[in-house]
Amino acid sequence: ETGVTQTPRHLVMGMTNKKSLKCEQHLGHNAMYWYKQSAKKPLELMFVYSLEERVENNSVPSRFSPECPNSSHLFLHLHTLQPEDSALYLCASSQDPGSLYEQYFGPGTRLTVT
Amino acid sequence: AQKITQTQPGMFVQEKEAVTLDCTYDTSDPSYGLFWYKQPSSGEMIFLIYQGSYDQQNATEGRYSLNFQKARKSANLVISASQLGDSAMYFCAMRAKGHASGGSYIPTFGRGTSLIVHP
Repeated sequence: ETGVTQTPRHLVMGMTNKKSLKCEQHLGHNAMYWYKQSAKKPLELMFVYSLEERVENNSVPSRFSPECPNSSHLFLHLHTLQPEDSALYLCASSQDPGSLYEQYFGPGTRLTVT
Repeated sequence: AQKITQTQPGMFVQEKEAVTLDCTYDTSDPSYGLFWYKQPSSGEMIFLIYQGSYDQQNATEGRYSLNFQKARKSANLVISASQLGDSAMYFCAMRAKGHASGGSYIPTFGRGTSLIVHP
């Protein structure tokens, strides 16, 4: 596979469930990102990882927990979510967060919290 | 603080005509990058074009060009010869270092403009 992949593509979960979103990049990039895209808001940056180290955390609630075991994989662990967390979650990668390269995005996971 | 403003929620254009999508930005950093992305209904964001703050020439990529006016802090996207497949959401984004992140360029996105191309 090439580019950035995300699984699952769609997820429906209850507020008491625990689930994880997975992102994998096959581009040899060093930086990975999680974004939240809601219907009536701009794209919100959630987390930035550079070589498996978190370099940015944009005041995201603790019910979202990221994990970056290596530079190719990024997870977003979800627990006790709220209905307002329903959104499209996009993963992206770039060559290096310290340089101005473009980001490559995955297809997203459409999350619905019931 | 970094900010991107896209004032056009929706735009319509006739097939084969040119269209300009507006974007203004705000940053105090002298070094930054401006990007445009396309998001079709499938959801995936596709990189279109990049302009660096120190670039003297306007960026061009095929039918896409970026009208960079640094003094006005604007970075408008021009799509020439529109095609039906250009119908999508278009996002302007900026990466700047701001006050955070030990040297990382942090991205900020605008709210997007929905472009519809009519046959």
